[in-house]
Amino acid sequence: GENVEQHPSTLSVQEGDSAVIKCTYSDSASNYFPWYKQELGKRPQLIIDIRSNVGEKKDQRIAVTLNKTAKHFSLHITETQPEDSAVYFCAAGSNSNSGYALNFGKGTSLLVTP
Amino acid sequence: SQTIHQWPATLVQPVGSPLSLECTVEGTSNPNLYWYRQAAGRGLQLLFYSVGIGQISSEVPQNLSASRPQDRQFILSSKKLLLSDSGFYLCARQTSYEQYFGPGTRLTVT
Repeated sequence: GENVEQHPSTLSVQEGDSAVIKCTYSDSASNYFPWYKQELGKRPQLIIDIRSNVGEKKDQRIAVTLNKTAKHFSLHITETQPEDSAVYFCAAGSNSNSGYALNFGKGTSLLVTP
Repeated sequence: SQTIHQWPATLVQPVGSPLSLECTVEGTSNPNLYWYRQAAGRGLQLLFYSVGIGQISSEVPQNLSASRPQDRQFILSSKKLLLSDSGFYLCARQTSYEQYFGPGTRLTVT
């Protein structure tokens, strides 16, 4: 089955700096890569996603890049703010009888200090 | 809008007691539905998924079961809870590629 590894597990940056979180996946059939943000005690929220026919996608301060050959994808947050502090999860999915079954990384706890 | 409801929001149950968690969705017909569990400080583990009424697939063998009695209702059950069943249970629906989570049920087994 699919195995998604996520690094780092914790990340601390100063406000205004950039943050990068990286994930690798094992199944070449995976073709959908979402990122979720989870604040303490709340549900994960989808913040950005990318499909395998695209190499990069940007939405304001966040961007995701995908390297299909190397089987890795990354989340980039620029001009970080304290409210960006949360746990971020990457996932990889492929179309199957279950729709898009997602396999999640173990999460990155991001702390943005003022 | 396509809203997801989960009930109850929090639950404290003794070991060996039964469990029933409910997920209902609005605004969409025949959605793919998922149950995930998140242990404290951990990632998301897919437990069950359903592509239609009465169709349930299990990802991980355990003492939990799921049912989908209606198109927009997904239920997670157990006959006898274990301490290891504690966690944050999230229902998700799929729209096209995207999966969106409900508010979750926080279960503590004592």
